[in-house]
Amino acid sequence: DIQMTQSPSSLSASVGDRVTITCRASQGIRNDLGWFQQKPGKAPKRLIYAASTLQSGVPSRFSGSGSGTEFTLTISCLQPEDFATYYCLQYKTYPYTFGQGTKLEIK
Amino acid sequence: EVQLVESGGGLVQPGGSLRVSCAASGFTFNTYWMSWVRQAPGKGLEWVANIKKDGKEINYVDSVKGRFTISRDNAKNSLYLQMNSLRVEDTAVYYCASGGWLDYWGQGTLVTVSS
Repeated sequence: DIQMTQSPSSLSASVGDRVTITCRASQGIRNDLGWFQQKPGKAPKRLIYAASTLQSGVPSRFSGSGSGTEFTLTISCLQPEDFATYYCLQYKTYPYTFGQGTKLEIK
Repeated sequence: EVQLVESGGGLVQPGGSLRVSCAASGFTFNTYWMSWVRQAPGKGLEWVANIKKDGKEINYVDSVKGRFTISRDNAKNSLYLQMNSLRVEDTAVYYCASGGWLDYWGQGTLVTVSS
C-alpha cells in the first residue's frame, strides 16, 4: 500500500498567517492527490483535487501544489473558519490511503 | 445541490451483521462512482470501498475484504454497505461519498461493535 505521511501533525497559527502542510507519498502518485478539511463533529469536505485544482466554492486562499511524491497545501491568509484538521488522500492506487491528518489550531 | 444521507448505523455485537445505506440526490447518480470511508472515534480517515457507476467494478481495503459488500441500486439512487462478521475495530462513523475522488460527503452514520 502507498503510505501518505503528513507534516506537521499539528500546527498553531494566528488569523492572517500563511501556513503550509506537506504530504509525502511512499511512491510516486503523479498528481492523483486530494486535500480535505474536517471540522469537529462534521463530515470532511474536499478542498483540492488533482493536487492543485480548487474545488468549486472553496476560497482562493487555499492552494495546492506538487507532483510525484511531495505535495503541499497552503492557506495564504488564515481565517477563523480555517481552524480544522486537514487530510491528504492518494487515489492513484488501491487501496486509496489518507495521511494521518494535520490539526490546525489557533495560537 | 448534492445531498448524501446515510442511515442504518447502530449497535451490533461482535460477529454480527449490519447494512448501512446512503440516499443520494442532486446529481445524476448512475454516472458517478460511489465510495465508503470510515473514521474510528478520535482517529483519522480510512477509505473502505468504492463501486463503479454500473456496479461492475468494486474495490475494497484489505481489512474488510470477504466481510463487507458494497452495492448500489441506480433505480433508487442508493448506495449500500453490507457488513458481516463485524469486529470491535470496525467501530466508526461510516461516510458515503460521491465520485471516485470523494467529491461530496454525507454526514455519516455511527456503527458501534461491542458486546
